[in-house]
Amino acid sequence: DAKTTQPNSMESNEEEPVHLPCNHSTISGTDYIHWYRQLPSQGPEYVIHGLTSNVNNRMASLAIAEDRKSSTLILHRATLRDAAVYYCILRDGNTNAGKSTFGDGTTLTVKP
Amino acid sequence: DVKVTQSSRYLVKRTGEKVFLECVQDMDHENMFWYRQDPGLGLRLIYFSYDVKMKEKGDIPEGYSVSREKKERFSLILESASTNQTSMYLCASSLLGFVDNEQFFGPGTRLTVL
Repeated sequence: DAKTTQPNSMESNEEEPVHLPCNHSTISGTDYIHWYRQLPSQGPEYVIHGLTSNVNNRMASLAIAEDRKSSTLILHRATLRDAAVYYCILRDGNTNAGKSTFGDGTTLTVKP
Repeated sequence: DVKVTQSSRYLVKRTGEKVFLECVQDMDHENMFWYRQDPGLGLRLIYFSYDVKMKEKGDIPEGYSVSREKKERFSLILESASTNQTSMYLCASSLLGFVDNEQFFGPGTRLTVL
């Protein structure tokens, strides 16, 4: 299974943009890139996903490298409520299997 | 508002007890999942189901079983609880076509086995 690598932690100031990196050098052509976040004492929450093209939604943007070996989640203006653990995971488009692993993710701290 | 609910937020059981964790979703989703979350190990998939009465093993099914008698309900069963099953348990659901759709997670059940 393709794996992802993320920094353990990152810090940001409130109202500044945040770029959260994810490396997935062994990604296959059918793997979708998903991002979730988990606020304290809550279950994970979907943020965004993509396959090849960059994606935008109301929460964030996802920038995918041309070779797809890395991606970056962009929060355009961090708020205190964005402090969470962010997970980058890969999901195989060839199956409906739920077998995708959430690693330890990146703990984002937002400073006022 | 779409929802995945879990029967308990906190549960304390004794070694050897049979434990039922219940999960209900109101989104008519085909897929339902059970994960456990442990520090340093992330979320690991225990079982998932893509239809009523259908189930597939995830990465760590040993010591667990599941039941899906109705589309909206997915139960995780610990036949004989052990202390190494102390963990946070998370239920999730999604549409079929899971890889191109989001999962919705419940709030989790923190289980302590004494």
